Amino acid sequence: DTGVSQNPRHKITKRGQNVTFRCDPISEHNRLYWYRQTLGQGPEFLTYFQNEAQLEKSRLLSDRFSAERPKGSFSTLEIQRTEQGDSAMYLCASSLQGLNTEAFFGQGTRLTVV
Amino acid sequence: KQEVTQIPAALSVPEGENLVLNCSFTDSAIYNLQWFRQDPGKGLTSLLLIQSSQREQTSGRLNASLDKSSGRSTLYIAASQPGDSATYLCAVRNSGYALNFGKGTSLLVTP
Repeated sequence: DTGVSQNPRHKITKRGQNVTFRCDPISEHNRLYWYRQTLGQGPEFLTYFQNEAQLEKSRLLSDRFSAERPKGSFSTLEIQRTEQGDSAMYLCASSLQGLNTEAFFGQGTRLTVV
Repeated sequence: KQEVTQIPAALSVPEGENLVLNCSFTDSAIYNLQWFRQDPGKGLTSLLLIQSSQREQTSGRLNASLDKSSGRSTLYIAASQPGDSATYLCAVRNSGYALNFGKGTSLLVTP
């Protein structure tokens, strides 16, 4: 088990373009989370999946953002019509089911919108 | 809304010192609290998870305590080393699924 894997590690895009990030969770984990982190801040919750069902979305997740987990394994996060304010580190985490299970994070995808 | 505060924001200590990082939270109805380490430009590494019914957890040179009623947790690092230099983040889970994070404490351990 290699842990949570995120691709790409870095992405530079022009304003207005669409970008998609991928997250592969730890294989036996049925819960998957996306967070966003800007410089000097702690991560902020974006959305959560249990298996393939998206169960919770933050108000931070505007209509330009969409996340999927089609087969309950890997997940994608797409940002449409990127804006400079979308520049951030996008972090994926996974965990087993249960309220007291440990969350494990990937290395993140650093997005820069120019 | 849960607010998580970490003090100090930055800390510099000489190698070998013992140190304490502080985390406070406003809503004491938590399920658990998790401490993470983050190296520059990297993801988060889980250090310790304390359930709401527990008072402390230990892993190697790290000891985390939890006082749920007062909304406080501390992370104690014994015999600090330059390799401990990183940002340490505290996160709490209330009802729901999201972790609520503090802004972190940036630690520098000098040789």
